[in-house]
Amino acid sequence: EVQLLESGGDLVQPGGSLRLSCAASGFTFSSYAMSWVRQVPGKGLEWVSAISGNGGSTYYADSLKGRFTISRDNSKDTLFLQVNSLRVEDTAVYYCAKERYSTGFFDYWGQGTLITVSS
Amino acid sequence: EIVLTQSPGTLSLSLGERATLSCRASQSFSNNNLAWYQQKPGQAPRLVIYGASSRATGIPDRFSGSGSGTDFTLTISRLEPEDFAVYYCQQYSRSPLTFGGGTKVEIK
Repeated sequence: EVQLLESGGDLVQPGGSLRLSCAASGFTFSSYAMSWVRQVPGKGLEWVSAISGNGGSTYYADSLKGRFTISRDNSKDTLFLQVNSLRVEDTAVYYCAKERYSTGFFDYWGQGTLITVSS
Repeated sequence: EIVLTQSPGTLSLSLGERATLSCRASQSFSNNNLAWYQQKPGQAPRLVIYGASSRATGIPDRFSGSGSGTDFTLTISRLEPEDFAVYYCQQYSRSPLTFGGGTKVEIK
């Protein structure tokens, strides 16, 4: 059974940093591209970033480039998102999602981890 | 970027009725690279349709997807209690990946 378990969300002040993790199980992690998708509470979904199976290629939403960094550790079946210079508008639930091969759509999602940016 | 506009914003229907959800793209894209997701309160999204018309694993056949180019539709033939949720479309034809704003299907 595929499982994705995010962690690392927290209450942080504007300008702060966090590192989100997503522990994967139930599939060959290194074979699949992964993404982070976020959702402001009560609002829609926004794709944040993606990474190829071997970690060699990364992609970002233009508005977030430079502040967010995606990475993965295939030896530990774990996906990461380093988020820096956080802004109030970054407050959201952050989901990790498994791509169906490298298609760009997501066949499994984690339960999400909440980042709240507030002073 | 490709902007996806979903309509209506809210659909109020009764059990057993047919639901028709629309997703319109700002640019035409090939390969029908469009997916639909269902999201219930407090839960993660769940894949319903990919490739515009292929049902995901475990999705009942009352769900169907259609369309091409710029206009796509998700149809739920007869609404069951578990179908009341928010539905999002997503294009994966061009980067950045983008989602529509969602359609809420609520009980009338």
